[in-house]
Amino acid sequence: AQSVSQHNHHVILSEAASLELGCNYSYGGTVNLFWYVQYPGQHLQLLLKYFSGDPLVKGIKGFEAEFIKSKFSFNLRKPSVQWSDTAEYFCAVTGTASKLTFGTGTRLQVTL
Amino acid sequence: DAGVTQSPTHLIKTRGQQVTLRCSPKSGHDTVSWYQQALGQGPQFIFQYYEEEERQRGNFPDRFSGHQFPNYSSELNVNALLLGDSALYLCASSPGPSDSPLHFGNGTRLTVT
Repeated sequence: AQSVSQHNHHVILSEAASLELGCNYSYGGTVNLFWYVQYPGQHLQLLLKYFSGDPLVKGIKGFEAEFIKSKFSFNLRKPSVQWSDTAEYFCAVTGTASKLTFGTGTRLQVTL
Repeated sequence: DAGVTQSPTHLIKTRGQQVTLRCSPKSGHDTVSWYQQALGQGPQFIFQYYEEEERQRGNFPDRFSGHQFPNYSSELNVNALLLGDSALYLCASSPGPSDSPLHFGNGTRLTVT
């Protein structure tokens, strides 16, 4: 069975600070990897996804993630966060089936 | 281009009752998946519907059932509600059963008292 682990449950950063959110997955086969964001009161939105190819993927709003197969990791990064990035971030994985397995999420709070 | 719509937005039920939640997929999508998101947790997969049949199922009891209509909309039914069923129920749609759901609705917040 596949599983996802997000190391940070709550992260507080000042505006302009750099962000890195950890995500590790457990799955023996080929995986597809995702980061979703849930802004307060809004629906889950796809930030970026990795299916194959270049392990460094760029998403919306300046986010990027790097797939490191040897470490089973897919960490999310942003060089300079904004107050509007305050949200909950979820890492997710799919295997042979299309269903998503999510991590428990990381709440990001950006202070002015 | 309409996104995924869910109704109702909030619902309060009593233990033992039954509830039906509704979902309309994004235009052009024919596959609907349902997820349960308990407080402080990530969403958990309940099941997927395609061509009016349940195609995949997560680790949820038979009290959770669903239906898909010819227009691709879907319902989630939960019988004999328990306090632990209180959660945000998310619907997601995708263009096919092999595609991961990329579009989610706002969810239905179910509270069981």
